[in-house]
Amino acid sequence: QVTLKESGPGILQPSQTLSLTCSFSGFSLSTSGICVSWIRQPSGKGLEWLATICWEDSKGYNPSLKNRLTISKDTSNNQAFLKITSVDTADTAIYYCARTGIIRGRGYVMDAWGQGASVTVSS
Amino acid sequence: DIVMTQSPSSLAVSAGETVTINCKSSQSLLYSGNQKNYLAWYQQKPGQSPKLLIYWASTRQSGVPDRFIGSGSGTDFTLTISSVQAEDLAIYYCQQYYDTWTFGGGTKLELK
Repeated sequence: QVTLKESGPGILQPSQTLSLTCSFSGFSLSTSGICVSWIRQPSGKGLEWLATICWEDSKGYNPSLKNRLTISKDTSNNQAFLKITSVDTADTAIYYCARTGIIRGRGYVMDAWGQGASVTVSS
Repeated sequence: DIVMTQSPSSLAVSAGETVTINCKSSQSLLYSGNQKNYLAWYQQKPGQSPKLLIYWASTRQSGVPDRFIGSGSGTDFTLTISSVQAEDLAIYYCQQYYDTWTFGGGTKLELK
């Protein structure tokens, strides 16, 4: 059974750095073709892909946020991480991690999602 | 970037009706290397995370009822839900995975 669970600070102040952790089970980020993505959703709004990290440590970032994002992983502990620098109120959202993949060099769907972590940026 | 446009943004239906949700991409999602459309549909119920319904534009994920039907190719795609049930009330998102990942704005299915 594949499960993912996000964790984060809950609340942080503008200009701080947001650090999120995705802890997962049922699959390994050392398996060829496997990746983990981060997606966010502001309250009442749609889904926005943020970043993806894959088994061989390749990374992809949403161009609109690329300068502020850093994705990383700890394969031995089945975790993936996302850092967002210089947050402001527009970064208030639910942050999801999801399993995805790369097949023959192209992306794949997000077939398992975590429950999401709520993050509020407020002074 | 590939832009995904969904219509309508909301839809009011009665149980038992058939509904159609449209999704258009700013460029073709059909990859010539395998003749597959890199288009997926997700369902998000209130308070829940998104759930994968359909991938490769028309392949149902395991466990998804056969009343959910995906169709289309290239830049124009459709999700059809036949005989809508109360449990289908949710927001539906299309997503392209041809070039990184992008979601449509969503279609909210509500009860009439």
